[in-house]
Amino acid sequence: GEDVEQSLFLSVREGDSSVINCTYTDSSSTYLYWYKQEPGAGLQLLTYIFSNMDMKQDQRLTVLLNKKDKHLSLRIADTQTGDSAIYFCAENLMDTGRRALTFGSGTRLQVQP
Amino acid sequence: SQTIHQWPATLVQPVGSPLSLECTVEGTSNPNLYWYRQAAGRGLQLLFYSVGIGQISSEVPQNLSASRPQDRQFILSSKKLLLSDSGFYLCAWSVFGINTEAFFGQGTRLTVV
Repeated sequence: GEDVEQSLFLSVREGDSSVINCTYTDSSSTYLYWYKQEPGAGLQLLTYIFSNMDMKQDQRLTVLLNKKDKHLSLRIADTQTGDSAIYFCAENLMDTGRRALTFGSGTRLQVQP
Repeated sequence: SQTIHQWPATLVQPVGSPLSLECTVEGTSNPNLYWYRQAAGRGLQLLFYSVGIGQISSEVPQNLSASRPQDRQFILSSKKLLLSDSGFYLCAWSVFGINTEAFFGQGTRLTVV
């Protein structure tokens, strides 16, 4: 199937690291993405990783990709209350010819002060 | 720079009434355009995507239709709304290419009563 799976909820304390996990299905996906959605707003692209990379770091964000297990993770260092949002991972299904992303169900991150 | 506009931001419509949501993109040519729906507490479901004027691909059978009358305009419509059409509708665009990172509008909250 074309399922992208994520855990629904994660709660952390301010200052701790957050790790949001995702499993995807299509080994031919060229890029994998992380989006952030704040309440009542659209989705904001946070970062993406090319499939031939294992890791990508961008300031407080670290993306890890395990292609063998089709596992993607987003680590947020020094999590702040402003990081509270829903985080979506997404893949592009290249073998279907469809030029669109398939999203997971989203992980709601709650940061406690 | 590229921008995407989506309106209205909120909409309350009675069952059986028509619907028209509009999305326009500025600052790019020949974008891929998308309509997604996000039901309460759930992930994003791709409804329609378009790779060019008059070219619409439908992902799921439903009560909705989409049109692309101009290169940077994407319209989501319904002749008669159902209660189940309630949700958060998001328009997005991407450039043509392998990296289909999508950029989202702010969304329309539709409540069918």
